[in-house]
Amino acid sequence: DQQVKQNSPSLSVQEGRISILNCDYTNSMFDYFLWYKKYPAEGPTFLISISSIKDKNEDGRFTVFLNKSAKHLSLHIVPSQPGDSAVYFCAASSAGGTSYGKLTFGQGTILTVHP
Amino acid sequence: DGGITQSPKYLFRKEGQNVTLSCEQNLNHDAMYWYRQDPGQGLRLIYYSQIVNDFQKGDIAEGYSVSREKKESFPLTVTSAQKNPTAFYLCASSYQGLLNEKLFFGSGTQLSVL
Repeated sequence: DQQVKQNSPSLSVQEGRISILNCDYTNSMFDYFLWYKKYPAEGPTFLISISSIKDKNEDGRFTVFLNKSAKHLSLHIVPSQPGDSAVYFCAASSAGGTSYGKLTFGQGTILTVHP
Repeated sequence: DGGITQSPKYLFRKEGQNVTLSCEQNLNHDAMYWYRQDPGQGLRLIYYSQIVNDFQKGDIAEGYSVSREKKESFPLTVTSAQKNPTAFYLCASSYQGLLNEKLFFGSGTQLSVL
């Protein structure tokens, strides 16, 4: 049972345009969400996060939006650059009554930004 | 430079053989993790450790074993009981393993079965 889903396996955009990557989740206990970026032959690196008490978090060209009622979050990249071409993973966590925050990852979306 | 080192980059396993994947970190992080990535699927947690000499099973621990004898090291053994070991394995660490800490990943080991 996939609790975090990225339904678009790939996305292609033109340089300078907006990239929108989507993520849906089913577990209402999730209260913290993260995006990771992965280049080929490298491990994922943290990009941006958002707590469930907020609906938007911005960091430079990257903005994450959270819609709790729809159990949906999205990552906006504006403007997109060729160096943004990578696999993007959405991840979610909940305290679950313990101090350990386990991350549940989506399948990833391959973003290609064309010059 | 601080970071996480995984070795080898590629590993081949013969049927019935146990293999061990290495993970070393010099970030002085308490918590370490092993994830498995299969094509078209998200990363799935195999084992995690929040402190030396202690570790817990993740979602897919069957057929795997770990040890945490040193803070810097968290090796993963893929045993012969793991019937479908071909996957990309990622090791990660975080400061204390607490909620909302971001993970730092190694560059992964691709394991294939001969």
